[in-house]
Amino acid sequence: DTGVSQDPRHKITKRGQNVTFRCDPISEHNRLYWYRQTLGQGPEFLTYFQNEAQLEKSRLLSDRFSAERPKGSFSTLEIQRTEQGDSAMYLCASSLRDPGSNYGYTFGSGTRLTVV
Amino acid sequence: EDQVTQSPEALRLQEGESSSLNCSYTVSGLRGLFWYRQDPGKGPEFLFTLYSAGEEKEKERLKATLTKKESFLHITAPKPEDSATYLCAVQDFSGTYKYIFGTGTRLKVLA
Repeated sequence: DTGVSQDPRHKITKRGQNVTFRCDPISEHNRLYWYRQTLGQGPEFLTYFQNEAQLEKSRLLSDRFSAERPKGSFSTLEIQRTEQGDSAMYLCASSLRDPGSNYGYTFGSGTRLTVV
Repeated sequence: EDQVTQSPEALRLQEGESSSLNCSYTVSGLRGLFWYRQDPGKGPEFLFTLYSAGEEKEKERLKATLTKKESFLHITAPKPEDSATYLCAVQDFSGTYKYIFGTGTRLKVLA
């Protein structure tokens, strides 16, 4: 297992189009998180899954955003009717348990979305 | 509302010139404070978790400390490969799973 994989690495889309990103966590990790990061900012929490259950969603996750984690394995994040303000790096992270002493999230390298 | 402020925004050091990065936080009840390193074009990489005031963690040239209002990341005799953005994040006891991240400190170590 080489870590958290995200696909695609880069996506350019026209305003109004729908996009979908995929995240494959480390195989034994049951916890999965999505964050969004814009240039010069820290990551902002979007949503959290424990196994297949979506347990927390940020207010940032508008009706245009939806995330799934079928069967508690990979996850997808879909953005409908993209807007220029959606341009950002979308980061996925996973963990085996509550982050604790000497243990934290493992992040993927992200999907960079550019909406033109 | 939980808040994290990091300073300075950017820091340039000569190789071997030790310094400290600051993370000030406001949180209703601190469950954990986390330090991450982020290289350009990559996701953050976990460094440390701190839980309570007075706690210290060390890894190679990095040492993280925690008080009731702030955390410091001390970098001793840095090398060019320590150049990165260092992010601080907090999690509270409200039942949320989310981290609140600061905007980071961009560190450049010159050879």
